[in-house]
Amino acid sequence: DAGVIQSPRHEVTEMGQEVTLRCKPISGHDYLFWYRQTMMRGLELLIYFNNNVPIDDSGMPEDRFSAKMPNASFSTLKIQPSEPRDSAVYFCASTLGSAEQPQHFGDGTRLSIL
Amino acid sequence: KQEVTQIPAALSVPEGENLVLNCSFTDSAIYNLQWFRQDPGKGLTSLLLIQSSQREQTSGRLNASLDKSSGRSTLYIAASQPGDSATYLCAVQGAQKLVFGQGTRLTINP
Repeated sequence: DAGVIQSPRHEVTEMGQEVTLRCKPISGHDYLFWYRQTMMRGLELLIYFNNNVPIDDSGMPEDRFSAKMPNASFSTLKIQPSEPRDSAVYFCASTLGSAEQPQHFGDGTRLSIL
Repeated sequence: KQEVTQIPAALSVPEGENLVLNCSFTDSAIYNLQWFRQDPGKGLTSLLLIQSSQREQTSGRLNASLDKSSGRSTLYIAASQPGDSATYLCAVQGAQKLVFGQGTRLTINP
């Protein structure tokens, strides 16, 4: 079975550029989550969707960050303009239904903003 | 606001030892608690999920316990192997939101 697929695996770009991270959840899963992991703050939830609808974006750090889920099999996290402090590993996860099910994580995108 | 703490931050033990990783959380109103494993450069792999009504879960050499009233969980690893070396993360779930601890970096020495 294909797991959660994220692309790109690595992204290096200069400050001020637009960055788009992509995620394909596991087929049939109705919840999708975006997390950010840094040494200082650990893993933090940025936003999550249920049935393609954003439910809670309280973890999105600022207006430079936006996320969309145009259909059940695709989501993007966009940073515009990017800043060096955005450097982190960004994870996407998906799950089916209730809180009884574990979340399945992708391998992440390692983002470096120079 | 839920806070999750894991102790120790790092642990190094010889192969074959049994070991315990600790997790504590401040708000007992949780749906479940999960233990994850993270290998370098990889995502998280779910190891065990304990529902709030349960006391423990077992999978192979792993056993996780949950004491919701005291806000504590432990992950017990029996007969440790070098392949167990990884970072272990504890996370508590309120509704759909997971709150993670900072993890315990475990090294098993051959």
